[in-house]
Amino acid sequence: GAVVSQHPSWVICKSGTSVKIECRSLDFQATTMFWYRQFPKQSLMLMATSNEGSKATYEQGVEKDKFLINHASLTLSTLTVTSAHPEDSSFYICSANPGGQYNQPQHFGDGTRLSIL
Amino acid sequence: SQKIEQNSEALNIQEGKTATLTCNYTNYSPAYLQWYRQDPGRGPVFLLLIRENEKEKRKERLKVTFDTTLKQSLFHITASQPADSATYLCALAPAGYSTLTFGKGTMLLVSP
Repeated sequence: GAVVSQHPSWVICKSGTSVKIECRSLDFQATTMFWYRQFPKQSLMLMATSNEGSKATYEQGVEKDKFLINHASLTLSTLTVTSAHPEDSSFYICSANPGGQYNQPQHFGDGTRLSIL
Repeated sequence: SQKIEQNSEALNIQEGKTATLTCNYTNYSPAYLQWYRQDPGRGPVFLLLIRENEKEKRKERLKVTFDTTLKQSLFHITASQPADSATYLCALAPAGYSTLTFGKGTMLLVSP
């Protein structure tokens, strides 16, 4: 149980394009989802906490106008990278757990590899 | 400043041996500490959680210790197998914070 699905797995697109990444909880409801970014050989860096029905909470240094988060249902959160540039190329991963607790085991999606040309 | 440190160099061991990975932290007072496994190009998979009032936790061939005095957690895999080769991440849920903070991870390579 507690499966999180992320789509797409990888995206290659031109600079200036906006890219939407979906994160779904398949067998539980997730009032809270977390979005991370990971550069090669680096740790997962929390970008934002996505809250169902309300605004996301962004970490310091993350541009909320650049990384739009929508959590319109209890099973789906989306991250849109607007006007993406090569420096936005990274591995984006979402996580959630049935209780919505940050300090309980997280179930991660398999990530989205974003490459901006 | 707050830090979570894991061995940056890969750990190479032979099949059947016990692998021991270290997670040190500074300037945190974590209520929980978690360990995850991450394979290349995949999301992390949860392995074990240990609370600040627990000294040790076991699950099959895995064992985690948590020493809040030393500010250190050790992660052991006994009777290691090549399939255990992966990057292992520790993560803290500090008291007073509402987020999970990850270390960079240590790559484990188990050779046959």
